[in-house]
Amino acid sequence: DVKVTQSSRYLVKRTGEKVFLECVQDMDHENMFWYRQDPGLGLRLIYFSYDVKMKEKGDIPEGYSVSREKKERFSLILESASTNQTSMYLCASSLYGGLYEQYFGPGTRLTVT
Amino acid sequence: QKEVEQDPGPLSVPEGAIVSLNCTYSNSAFQYFMWYRQYSRKGPELLMYTYSSGNKEDGRFTAQVDKSSKYISLFIRDSQPSDSATYLCAMRDNAGGTSYGKLTFGQGTILTVHP
Repeated sequence: DVKVTQSSRYLVKRTGEKVFLECVQDMDHENMFWYRQDPGLGLRLIYFSYDVKMKEKGDIPEGYSVSREKKERFSLILESASTNQTSMYLCASSLYGGLYEQYFGPGTRLTVT
Repeated sequence: QKEVEQDPGPLSVPEGAIVSLNCTYSNSAFQYFMWYRQYSRKGPELLMYTYSSGNKEDGRFTAQVDKSSKYISLFIRDSQPSDSATYLCAMRDNAGGTSYGKLTFGQGTILTVHP
């Protein structure tokens, strides 16, 4: 059974802080993804990675960076948090070559004040 | 214009009703079409998928794809309170390389089935 875990369910940070969101998957998946989910906007892809140390920008990468030092772990970094980054952040993983199924973590609700 | 458009609802129906959820899209390269279900305070989970045009049935759920109209639908028969969730359509093209595995999601439709 695939399991994707995220380091925090709820997080409150102040404007300007550096924020780390961690994601770990236990199924040896090559692909990992970070999304943010906002009402009326759905899931928007921030960054994804198809291998260790490899990353590609998604649709809304501005203000974010990522790190993938180990296959099972994918980190999202907010270099200087801003209030417009208040959102639900979802991590997902999938097999390389997998056609349609992404496995999601439970999400981190981040509030930036 | 968004690549994928989905009516966010919310949609409220009585138990037993037939529910129709829909998405339109603009990218003719999309080949794989999916529906994810997301319960409150959980991540999305894959519910159904189809490749190219046609219908697919799984119990009370039927997914339809009409590529000529760039329109996909999910039908839920005999809806139950346990079907209350957010339903997200998702789709992808057939490209290889580094875009492999990337999905484009709709906005999600919030569905409530009341007893």
